[in-house]
Amino acid sequence: DAGVIQSPRHEVTEMGQEVTLRCKPISGHDYLFWYRQTMMRGLELLIYFNNNVPIDDSGMPEDRFSAKMPNASFSTLKIQPSEPRDSAVYFCASKEEGLAGSPLHFGNGTRLTVT
Amino acid sequence: SQQGEEDPQALSIQEGENATMNCSYKTSINNLQWYRQNSGRGLVHLILIRSNEREKHSGRLRVTLDTSKKSSSLLITASRAADTASYFCATVPTGSARQLTFGSGTQLTVLP
Repeated sequence: DAGVIQSPRHEVTEMGQEVTLRCKPISGHDYLFWYRQTMMRGLELLIYFNNNVPIDDSGMPEDRFSAKMPNASFSTLKIQPSEPRDSAVYFCASKEEGLAGSPLHFGNGTRLTVT
Repeated sequence: SQQGEEDPQALSIQEGENATMNCSYKTSINNLQWYRQNSGRGLVHLILIRSNEREKHSGRLRVTLDTSKKSSSLLITASRAADTASYFCATVPTGSARQLTFGSGTQLTVLP
């Protein structure tokens, strides 16, 4: 099992540019989550999907952020246009269906720097 | 504000000592989970304790849960330098469709 795979590991871009972060969840997992981690705000849940359907996007900060899951093995988080305050580490995580207690499996994150 | 809040924010101990981290939360929960994060990496699940459990062990880890005080503790015994990491508690409120909410974490440093 390769685990949750995120790409790129690092992204440096200029303000106003479009940024696309990618995630491949663990095969067979029914839930996929996007989190953002900053020193100031800690880990924030942005959005999560169940069986490829967005369930709760209340954590998405602005309309500049959008996420898709076209199939069970791929998801993207897009920021357009990007701003310096979007600089953070973005994590994707997945888990199996079942009881609320099933653990999350995290990728190693994408460190985004917007200059 | 975060559902779970860890205490202390930072902890520095010598190798071989025990490390205790605490987590407080606000609402009733189904379970509480602890995660570990090494620098530059994603979080890794350590242990889950359900609301009807009071204590759970996994290797050198011991987790307690006091639902009356809405608090949990994570004890790492005989710490090693490799235990240096940030530790987070995470909860899901009872009856909520919300997913895991993480606390702000405790940064543990184990000195060799």
